[in-house]
Amino acid sequence: QKEVEQDPGPLSVPEGAIVSLNCTYSNSAFQYFMWYRQYSRKGPELLMYTYSSGNKEDGRFTAQVDKSSKYISLFIRDSQPSDSATYLCAMSLTGANSKLTFGKGITLSVRP
Amino acid sequence: DTEVTQTPKHLVMGMTNKKSLKCEQHMGHRAMYWYKQKAKKPPELMFVYSYEKLSINESVPSRFSPECPNSSLLNLHLHALQPEDSALYLCASSQERNRRQGLGVGGYTFGSGTRLTVV
Repeated sequence: QKEVEQDPGPLSVPEGAIVSLNCTYSNSAFQYFMWYRQYSRKGPELLMYTYSSGNKEDGRFTAQVDKSSKYISLFIRDSQPSDSATYLCAMSLTGANSKLTFGKGITLSVRP
Repeated sequence: DTEVTQTPKHLVMGMTNKKSLKCEQHMGHRAMYWYKQKAKKPPELMFVYSYEKLSINESVPSRFSPECPNSSLLNLHLHALQPEDSALYLCASSQERNRRQGLGVGGYTFGSGTRLTVV
């Protein structure tokens, strides 16, 4: 079993749709959870950063962490064509100085 | 300034060449990283520097040699690479925060990467 599993995709939705992206993980010691967006030929861009369980909202993006189920989600409301990118979940044992473990990434396409 | 700057953006090198990748951040982060990313794959950790000391080496071949001259700079020296080493090389930095310091801003900040082609 991989440490972090992410729905493989690709995912295509119409503009304005609500998008739900998910990852599961096996290592209960992970404490920090992140979502990155990566456009083609660019570096990953941090979207959301959460510590332990709970929800965090930032504009059209909401991140949820359920440590009891070892499950994290990213919701995108009112999706836009500019949201078309690869989304990577990532997690670490500590907030810094340790390895980020990534999911495989899912490519999202938002159709105008 | 919330950027990690990597140079060059593109690099083509022969298998006998020696070249260096450079990374710079001015966010005061004390941890810096090198990641390697192949097409359609997630980034893979190569090295971690913490307070300018190498703390993690993910069994990377010796043809990749990292260097951290100071808290803002990170280099990756390349020598005798193979075509399969062609990839996007990403630098990242991070700062540990505890709950008292607030976790509203955190995470690992990545640069745009150097796209390396070995011919």
